[in-house]
Amino acid sequence: EVHLLESGGDLVQPGGSLRLSCEASGFSFGNYAMNWVRQAPGKGPEWVSGISSSGGSTHYAESVKGRFTIARDNSKNTLYLEMNSLRAEDTALYFCAKDRDFWSGYYTSIDYWGQGTQVTVSS
Amino acid sequence: DIVMTQSPDSLAVSLGERATISCKSSQSVLYSANSKNYLAWYQQKPGQPPKPLIYWASTRESGVPDRFSGSGSGTDFTLTISSLQAEDVAVYYCQQYYSTTQSFGQGTKVEIK
Repeated sequence: EVHLLESGGDLVQPGGSLRLSCEASGFSFGNYAMNWVRQAPGKGPEWVSGISSSGGSTHYAESVKGRFTIARDNSKNTLYLEMNSLRAEDTALYFCAKDRDFWSGYYTSIDYWGQGTQVTVSS
Repeated sequence: DIVMTQSPDSLAVSLGERATISCKSSQSVLYSANSKNYLAWYQQKPGQPPKPLIYWASTRESGVPDRFSGSGSGTDFTLTISSLQAEDVAVYYCQQYYSTTQSFGQGTKVEIK
């Protein structure tokens, strides 16, 4: 059974930094692209970042480009999101999400989501 | 960036009746090389992560009831619930994964009339 467990969310001041982690199990982690998707209170999901199966390709939403960095450690079955220069508008529940198909050079739809970790940016 | 626009924002349908949700993309999400539409649908209930329903615009996820169906191509897509059940009350989102910067629609809330 696929399981995605996010951690690292916290209350942080504007301008601060945070590192999210997602421990994956139940599938061959190193064969799939992974994503971070966030959802602010009362809003729809917003795709934040994606990373290829090897970690060699990374992509970001314009809203976080230059501030967030996605990474993965396939030996530890873990996905990361390093978040710097945090703003109030980054406040959201952050989900780790698995791509449906083996990485073939492009992303596919999401077939599994974690339960999320809450990030709150406030002074 | 590809902008996804859903309509309506909310929808009230009687039990057993049809619910239809539209999703339009600002540019085509049809990849000509494989003739696939890079479009998915998700259902979200309060306090839960989105649940995958449909991918490649019309392929139903395993375990999803066949009253849910997806259709469309290019820039215009539809999610249809053929006979609304009480457990279908939720918010529904479309998502494009054609671009390396993926995007979701704003959501359509489905309620019982």
